[in-house]
Amino acid sequence: DTAVSQTPKYLVTQMGNDKSIKCEQNLGHDTMYWYKQDSKKFLKIMFSYNNKELIINETVPNRFSPKSPDKAHLNLHINSLELGDSAVYFCASSRRRGELGSEAFFGQGTRLTVV
Amino acid sequence: ILNVEQSPQSLHVQEGDSTNFTCSFPSSNFYALHWYRWETAKSPEALFVMTLNGDEKKKGRISATLNTKEGYSYLYIKGSQPEDSATYLCASGSSNTGKLIFGQGTTLQVKP
Repeated sequence: DTAVSQTPKYLVTQMGNDKSIKCEQNLGHDTMYWYKQDSKKFLKIMFSYNNKELIINETVPNRFSPKSPDKAHLNLHINSLELGDSAVYFCASSRRRGELGSEAFFGQGTRLTVV
Repeated sequence: ILNVEQSPQSLHVQEGDSTNFTCSFPSSNFYALHWYRWETAKSPEALFVMTLNGDEKKKGRISATLNTKEGYSYLYIKGSQPEDSATYLCASGSSNTGKLIFGQGTTLQVKP
């Protein structure tokens, strides 16, 4: 049983297209996140939702829009894709935001390539 | 220190060697320090979440210590095995959002 699952695993698309990456967790966690692995391999937070409510929105172009239909799902929609959006995107969840001692569980990542 | 920094960036050791690496983080407003193990083509997996100054945690041959006053944590691997080859990430955790600020990782290669 995969705890945090993302689809697709690989996504190759042309510049200007709109695409979505889906994420689901079956851990019963309240909080979900999107991280982007940048060119220097750092994992950087993009968004976080707690019980369907947006709680973190880092400096991310507004072409990126997260959507959380319920607390088990956090999807990432990207409009008008640009070459610089090529990266690996990771979804994660944790039991409750800021809960002391609570670790994050990560999905396997989605490698997005914009051509 | 404003960011989370890890050293060294990469490390090559022989099977059986013991090794350690460092994570430095901002000591002001400290909340939690996380260690993750990230194997190639897999997801990062939590090793430890540490919250108290002087904390020491152990999982098998891997252990970690925490100094929140000076802002550093050490990860130790005793008797490294080829299966320990991975990137080890540390991250500083935020109290109210759960946001993690990651270091760039230390990539360990253990040669048989």
